Amino acid sequence: DAKTTQPPSMDCAEGRAANLPCNHSTISGNEYVYWYRQIHSQGPQYIIHGLKNNETNEMASLIITEDRKSSTLILPHATLRDTAVYYCIVSTRNTPLVFGKGTRLSVIA
Amino acid sequence: KAGVTQTPRYLIKTRGQQVTLSCSPISGHRSVSWYQQTPGQGLQFLFEYFSETQRNKGNFPGRFSGRQFSNSRSEMNVSTLELGDSALYLCASSSSAGSTFEQYFGPGTRLTVT
Repeated sequence: DAKTTQPPSMDCAEGRAANLPCNHSTISGNEYVYWYRQIHSQGPQYIIHGLKNNETNEMASLIITEDRKSSTLILPHATLRDTAVYYCIVSTRNTPLVFGKGTRLSVIA
Repeated sequence: KAGVTQTPRYLIKTRGQQVTLSCSPISGHRSVSWYQQTPGQGLQFLFEYFSETQRNKGNFPGRFSGRQFSNSRSEMNVSTLELGDSALYLCASSSSAGSTFEQYFGPGTRLTVT
């Protein structure tokens, strides 16, 4: 079973920041937080991952709370092409990814 | 650099038959993982191969098997197909062992069992 809890769906206005929350209260010290997304009818796409520190790349930012029990994925300027299901996954580096149901993000014009 | 390719993209089989799906990873990637995606169960891990060795296996019956070749290409086989095997089968490649390094997914093979 997935170790994360995400809201089933969210809406975001185009051009605004999309903040996707994820709870992982039982995370262990050696477990990373990974984010993937799946646009309809395509394979999942890696977005970002982190262990303790906040991370940023060209796609998004990942904010992890100090106690590591929750995190937020931030898409700074959402576009219609960001409409997708977003998966938050907690896993060690040597165990398979366990995908939950994710959050369906709808970016609205 | 070319992405992960999967063949065929679509497949229709009859119950009881067997099927073989193919995955070509990104050049230089040595790890290949397979997933099954259905509307009811979501994305589920099948197995991972690295350097021709199976490293991890998900909770699927023995009818599901796989292998990896020396050029890192991978195949998965499903024998004695059941209606419930209808799904999107996704392959992902990674540059290192361990399923949770950044994985690049292919477009998938959509299998329909009638």
